[in-house]
Amino acid sequence: QVTLKESGPALVKPTQTLTLTCTFSGFSLSTSGMRVSWIRQPPGKALEWLARIDWDDDKFYSTSLKTRLTISKDTSKNQVVLTMTNMDPVDTATYYCARSYGTNGRWAEYWGQGTLVTVSS
Amino acid sequence: EIVMTQSPATLSVSPGERATLSCRASQSVSSNLAWYQQKPGQAPRLLIYGASTRATGIPARFTGSGSGTEFTLTISSLQSEDFAVYYCQQYNNWPYTFGQGTKLEIK
Repeated sequence: QVTLKESGPALVKPTQTLTLTCTFSGFSLSTSGMRVSWIRQPPGKALEWLARIDWDDDKFYSTSLKTRLTISKDTSKNQVVLTMTNMDPVDTATYYCARSYGTNGRWAEYWGQGTLVTVSS
Repeated sequence: EIVMTQSPATLSVSPGERATLSCRASQSVSSNLAWYQQKPGQAPRLLIYGASTRATGIPARFTGSGSGTEFTLTISSLQSEDFAVYYCQQYNNWPYTFGQGTKLEIK
C-alpha cells in the first residue's frame, strides 16, 4: 500500500526558510522510474507543480521558483525534503507531495493529504 | 511554459445527466495529459492519464479524449459524488502545468 505524508511547520514568518518533509511507504525511491514531486495549492486557487526528484537523483524545479527551491531525498529513510527560501505571504498554501512511476509515468498517481503552511508575521 | 486553459470555470448539471469539461493547451502536449478530481478538504485524485486511460478504480462513466491541444473529460450519468473541482495537467514538457480547474456543481 502506497502512502505519503507531509510534515513541517504550519506557520512561518516572511523571509524565513520553509522545510517540508514527505515521508512515504509502500515503495522505494531507488526503484528505476520512481519519482516524487511537491505540488502546492493556495487557498481557493489552482494547483502548481513545484519540484520533482527522480530515482536517479535528477531534479526539476518550477521555472518561477527555481532560485528558491531545493529538493532532496534520503532513500534509507524513505523521505523527500523540500526547502523554500525567503517565504512570502503569497506562498501560503497547502503543500502536497505525490508519487509518479513508470517510463512515461509523469502524472501524480498517489498523493499525500497535504499540509497547510501559512506565511504571516 | 505550457498554459492549460479549462472551460467552463463552473458547470451546473443535474444528477443523472452528462457533463463535458474542456481543457486546451497553448501548444501540443501529444497525449501527455491527466485529469484529477478534487473535493473540498481533500487531495486531488487521479482520474485519467495518457489523455484517455482511466486510473485504477475509476468508474467507466469517466471518459477522457483528445490529443494535441484539445482535450475533453466526459462524465456520463452524474452521481452525487462526482460534484467536485476537476483539473487537467500536462506532463509533456517540464514544468508540468495544471489548468485553473472546472467546478462541477449541482443544478
